[in-house]
Amino acid sequence: GAGVSQSPSNKVTEKGKDVELRCDPISGHTALYWYRQSLGQGLEFLIYFQGNSAPDKSGLPSDRFSAERTGGSVSTLTIQRTQQEDSAVYLCASSSYTGNEQYFGPGTRLTVT
Amino acid sequence: AQSVTQLDSQVPVFEEAPVELRCNYSSSVSVYLFWYVQYPNQGLQLLLKYLSGSTLVKGINGFEAEFNKSQTSFHLRKPSVHISDTAEYFCAVRNSGGSNYKLTFGKGTLLTVNP
Repeated sequence: GAGVSQSPSNKVTEKGKDVELRCDPISGHTALYWYRQSLGQGLEFLIYFQGNSAPDKSGLPSDRFSAERTGGSVSTLTIQRTQQEDSAVYLCASSSYTGNEQYFGPGTRLTVT
Repeated sequence: AQSVTQLDSQVPVFEEAPVELRCNYSSSVSVYLFWYVQYPNQGLQLLLKYLSGSTLVKGINGFEAEFNKSQTSFHLRKPSVHISDTAEYFCAVRNSGGSNYKLTFGKGTLLTVNP
């Protein structure tokens, strides 16, 4: 079946611009996660959605970052006024309610020039 | 708070040799443990997981790992590696209880298998 998909696969933007990254989770998965992978910081948790519960935003690095999940399915991660340190690969994952196995998408490589 | 330490950032080995990738964790609560593999320019793929039961866990591609609670370790092993095992390997941990399933990852170990 279809896995987690993310778009775009690559995004180059100028410093100060806003960007939106999209994640389509596996159908039926109630949990959705965003992580960031960068050379200096490794893999970092950003935000977690579980069903209709309030999301865990504890990993968002600043208020320039936000995410939403519409209809319990597709999620969008928005970065406002991008900075060079935002350059990274943004990974999305989804899981069933138990969360015992997270399935990752291929990621979006963001480059801020 | 939890943390994961992968003791080796790079491990070069020859084809058909055995390999062990080391992982230690720190947590004040009970945990579940995972190993993920990332091939170049791809996302993460789950290799194996420890949730409960037998401390020796077998995964895909001939990999296995052993959970050692007293040493807070979850080392990954393979008795004979192939060129195709060249990839980055990540150890991860999450709380076994509660409803927040976010993973905490180690920094990764780059396994390079040479002919």
